[in-house]
Amino acid sequence: DTEVTQTPKHLVMGMTNKKSLKCEQHMGHRAMYWYKQKAKKPPELMFVYSYEKLSINESVPSRFSPECPNSSLLNLHLHALQPEDSALYLCASSRRVDTEAFFGQGTRLTVV
Amino acid sequence: AQRVTQPEKLLSVFKGAPVELKCNYSYSGSPELFWYVQYSRQRLQLLLRHISRESIKGFTADLNKGETSFHLKKPFAQEEDSAMYYCALRDRGSTLGRLYFGRGTQLTVWP
Repeated sequence: DTEVTQTPKHLVMGMTNKKSLKCEQHMGHRAMYWYKQKAKKPPELMFVYSYEKLSINESVPSRFSPECPNSSLLNLHLHALQPEDSALYLCASSRRVDTEAFFGQGTRLTVV
Repeated sequence: AQRVTQPEKLLSVFKGAPVELKCNYSYSGSPELFWYVQYSRQRLQLLLRHISRESIKGFTADLNKGETSFHLKKPFAQEEDSAMYYCALRDRGSTLGRLYFGRGTQLTVWP
C-alpha cells in the first residue's frame, strides 16, 4: 500500500457542527502533515506530527484540533468553523520529516 | 517573507515546443528544492528533487545557487504535461519537515 488515504472526499458542514477529517497510511511513515489549500493558492502547512508527537502548529485557530492516535492515522477535528475555512485539506506523510512527502487526494470542505 | 517565487501563473505552449517553468527562491539556510505536479483531479505528487538530479517524464531541474533558481525544463512538451506545477522548498537542516510552496504555474500544452 503506497497511498495516503483521506476520508471523506467531500464534506459540507454548518458553522455549529463538529466533524472530523481522517487520514491513513500504511507505508510505515513516522511523519504526518495537514495542509490547507484555498482555491488557486498553494498548500499551506497547518500541523506536523513526527513520531506521533505534534512538532509544528502553524498558529492555526483552535477550532482545528489535530490528533495522531497511532503511527498510521491522523485526524483533524473541526468545530465551529467559519465559511472562510472552506478549502481543500491535504494530508501528507513521509518516512521522516526530511524525506519525500506523499500527499493524499484531499478532503474538500465547505462550511455553510 | 516569500521564500519561493513562481513568476508565471499561467504558461501555454504547443506540443513539441520546449517549456521552462521558472522558480526562484529566497532562503538563508540550506534549502532543498522540489517540483510537485498536480494533474487534473489527481493528488499532488513529487516530480523532482534537486538532490536526486534525475529526469522524470523528460523534465529536469538544476539548482543554481548563484541565481537562487530551480527552473523546470522539458525540451519537447506533451499534451499530458498539462497540469499545475508547484515549486517547493524545505530547509535541509530542519527537523520540522516544513515545505514552503510557490503559488504554482498552470501549464497548458496545446495540440
